[in-house]
Amino acid sequence: AQSVTQPDIHITVSEGASLELRCNYSYGATPYLFWYVQSPGQGLQLLLKYFSGDTLVQGIKGFEAEFKRSQSSFNLRKPSVHWSDAAEYFCAVGSANQAGTALIFGKGTTLSVSS
Amino acid sequence: GAVVSQHPSWVICKSGTSVKIECRSLDFQATTMFWYRQFPKQSLMLMATSNEGSKATYEQGVEKDKFLINHASLTLSTLTVTSAHPEDSSFYICSAINADNEQFFGPGTRLTVL
Repeated sequence: AQSVTQPDIHITVSEGASLELRCNYSYGATPYLFWYVQSPGQGLQLLLKYFSGDTLVQGIKGFEAEFKRSQSSFNLRKPSVHWSDAAEYFCAVGSANQAGTALIFGKGTTLSVSS
Repeated sequence: GAVVSQHPSWVICKSGTSVKIECRSLDFQATTMFWYRQFPKQSLMLMATSNEGSKATYEQGVEKDKFLINHASLTLSTLTVTSAHPEDSSFYICSAINADNEQFFGPGTRLTVL
């Protein structure tokens, strides 16, 4: 079955500390991977995506993610977290072979930032 | 960048009434749009695929007679929640696919059924 797992429901990080949000996927076809951020009551903002090529992708707001095919993972990282990064983060997967298909989302990880 | 809008952004209605939510691609044409639903503290779940000029394709467990989808033009898809009940209260998010097969999400519509 196709699925996305985000093992951490809630993470608290001190401001200025590094961050890693985990994402594992199960997908029958070549995956197209995404990370989105959602602030309370708001829509989704795309942080970054991976389709092919370099397995380390850079996104907006200083985020990056690394695709590891052997581990079926696409973890999101940021070297220094800011208080404004507190939000809900969703990992999602789509089909790279059928572009423009609906995405399968993980259940999300809530990030809290402490001062 | 491509922009997708939704209207209204939030709506409160009485149980038994119908509510229409619009999803518009503002600066591109979209032959395909998706409707997702997000319950509080939950992930987005695909409800249906809306294709311009044809019937929508619903995911398993989604009642097509309750959630009416109309994709009458290349820039507009509407979702009508018919005879809404409190359990239909949710955050509804649409997305639209552009010519490069990129997916852009709308800001969402918060529906509260009393």
